[in-house]
Amino acid sequence: AQRVTQPEKLLSVFKGAPVELKCNYSYSGSPELFWYVQYSRQRLQLLLRHISRESIKGFTADLNKGETSFHLKKPFAQEEDSAMYYCALSKSGSRLTFGEGTQLTVNP
Amino acid sequence: GAVVSQHPSWVICKSGTSVKIECRSLDFQATTMFWYRQFPKQSLMLMATSNEGSKATYEQGVEKDKFLINHASLTLSTLTVTSAHPEDSSFYICSASPPEGARFEQYFGPGTRLTVT
Repeated sequence: AQRVTQPEKLLSVFKGAPVELKCNYSYSGSPELFWYVQYSRQRLQLLLRHISRESIKGFTADLNKGETSFHLKKPFAQEEDSAMYYCALSKSGSRLTFGEGTQLTVNP
Repeated sequence: GAVVSQHPSWVICKSGTSVKIECRSLDFQATTMFWYRQFPKQSLMLMATSNEGSKATYEQGVEKDKFLINHASLTLSTLTVTSAHPEDSSFYICSASPPEGARFEQYFGPGTRLTVT
């Protein structure tokens, strides 16, 4: 069965500091992995997907199949990055399995 | 961009009654819609996958007779919580996938807060 684990429920950093949100997954096939973000009082929205290898809002995430990880990173955190972040896995291209989420707080 | 709406945004009902929640894709046609449930401070749990014109596919442990899903058109899916009980109180979120473009694209609705008294 597929599973997504985000070990940190809460993560607090100062503005300008690097931030890394951890995500590990278990899946026997070739997964498609995503990061979703939910800002305060807003709906869930896609931040980035691993197959695009893109950087959105300064965030990047690299799929490490050896470590079965898809950690989200940003070199310099901003206050507006404060939000709930969910790592998600898809095995069939549509059905998503979400991790527990990490609440990121960027302090001034 | 693609917009998904939900109605109502919140609802309070008495135990034993039924509640219908609507999910609409406003500017695109969605052959597939998904229904999630989210408890406070917890993640989204997929309840079912709704396909236009066919029966919904329910996740293990989700009672299909309790959570009735209808996807009668390409822009509307409904979730009816039948004979609601306080333990059904939760945040229900839908998402929709457009048929064209990236197959993994899901656009989420704002959610519906259900409170059963």
